[in-house]
Amino acid sequence: DTAVSQTPKYLVTQMGNDKSIKCEQNLGHDTMYWYKQDSKKFLKIMFSYNNKELIINETVPNRFSPKSPDKAHLNLHINSLELGDSAVYFCASSQGGTSLSNQPQHFGDGTRLSIL
Amino acid sequence: GIQVEQSPPDLILQEGANSTLRCNFSDSVNNLQWFHQNPWGQLINLFYIPSGTKQNGRLSATTVATERYSLLYISSSQTTDSGVYFCAVEKAAGNKLTFGGGTRVLVKP
Repeated sequence: DTAVSQTPKYLVTQMGNDKSIKCEQNLGHDTMYWYKQDSKKFLKIMFSYNNKELIINETVPNRFSPKSPDKAHLNLHINSLELGDSAVYFCASSQGGTSLSNQPQHFGDGTRLSIL
Repeated sequence: GIQVEQSPPDLILQEGANSTLRCNFSDSVNNLQWFHQNPWGQLINLFYIPSGTKQNGRLSATTVATERYSLLYISSSQTTDSGVYFCAVEKAAGNKLTFGGGTRVLVKP
């Protein structure tokens, strides 16, 4: 039933580890996104993909590597985790994205990543 | 890039009160959304409103695209309305939402 689902909801790990967050949408949307919400609640785009193709990489360190095996999935892999990576990561999806007619974005519940 | 400013940053309301939240943006947009982030951290879509007026229960929103602002009205506030309200905008084929800093709302019983 869930439109945009992320796993896991919580992730606690040590500095230097590698971890992945998965995202799946069942809305039939073409475009998927990753956003990061920092400790001050500020939300910012990290990546967007349209039909498995990277559209936006918003100056994110290359330790972050998104992967889209198909247009319903967009996973985020993070290497060599740092303290500053602690945040809530939100996945989202929308229809279109490259057209002039923007459609609303639908968000998952977020993954809270804590680095010890 | 496009700038999005929300006001006020914080709002304390007595249950039953009405309020207006404002979102100003610096460029023309094709998408404007209002979200409510509840105490559990979920981002709930309230409105997709690039222009015009919409109502959903006790909430309504108006966007005046030519003047680059949007307003969110909360009427007869309830404690469950507490949380952070975000405005986010997207330029034509922009492929990303730019969020404002949010308005933190606390509704007291």
